Amino acid sequence: DIQLTQSPSSLSASVGDRVTITCRTSQSVNNYLNWYQHRPGEAPKSLIFASSSLHSGVPSRFSGTRSGTDFTLTISSLQPEDFATYFCQQSYRTPHTFGQGTKVEIK
Amino acid sequence: QVQLQESGPGLVKPSQTLSLTCTVSGASIASNNFYWSWIRQHPGRGLDWIGYMSYSGSTFYNPSLRSRATMSLDTSKNRFSLTLTSVTAADSAMYYCARVGIFTTSSVDYWGQGTLVTVSS
Repeated sequence: DIQLTQSPSSLSASVGDRVTITCRTSQSVNNYLNWYQHRPGEAPKSLIFASSSLHSGVPSRFSGTRSGTDFTLTISSLQPEDFATYFCQQSYRTPHTFGQGTKVEIK
Repeated sequence: QVQLQESGPGLVKPSQTLSLTCTVSGASIASNNFYWSWIRQHPGRGLDWIGYMSYSGSTFYNPSLRSRATMSLDTSKNRFSLTLTSVTAADSAMYYCARVGIFTTSSVDYWGQGTLVTVSS
């Protein structure tokens, strides 16, 4: 299975901060890397597919980039509704594995 | 608006079979543009991909489930199902159904709210 390693596992930030989360894959997944947001008690929300394409309705403060097997999710200006756990997922090879998650907390 | 809603027993005894259903509204499961997927999350842990199924009948399962999982579609009721046999405490988790876009690098675009399953005698 392809392993995904997210860093950091958690972070504290303030509203308005720029936040960056990294996901490293154990082998190439080309651009088949997706990002999701999960707030407690809610359905997960799909943010980004194909490493940098935003799903419909996702605010433009979210962006994704790729450098080889390193992928980055950036929130340019953190909003109160962004405090959540973020997961990356590769959909290049089955099983479609997930990272362990990054919890973004209020500082 | 596409919505998915899981339903299931909540509590299952060890060695029994778990059956979950996902009812879809706002979209037809009889589409070749999507897969219909199940994903679970153990308490305090990350997400585990169980597998997905296409309208044409193709299925892909996580090998870690050792052939215990079976998915099916019911187009007459616009819903799909997961059956997991010989459950153990390790199958206790929040189970999510999801729609996967074939043309969006097989990413999930819509998720259900999840249904909590506990395996206990």
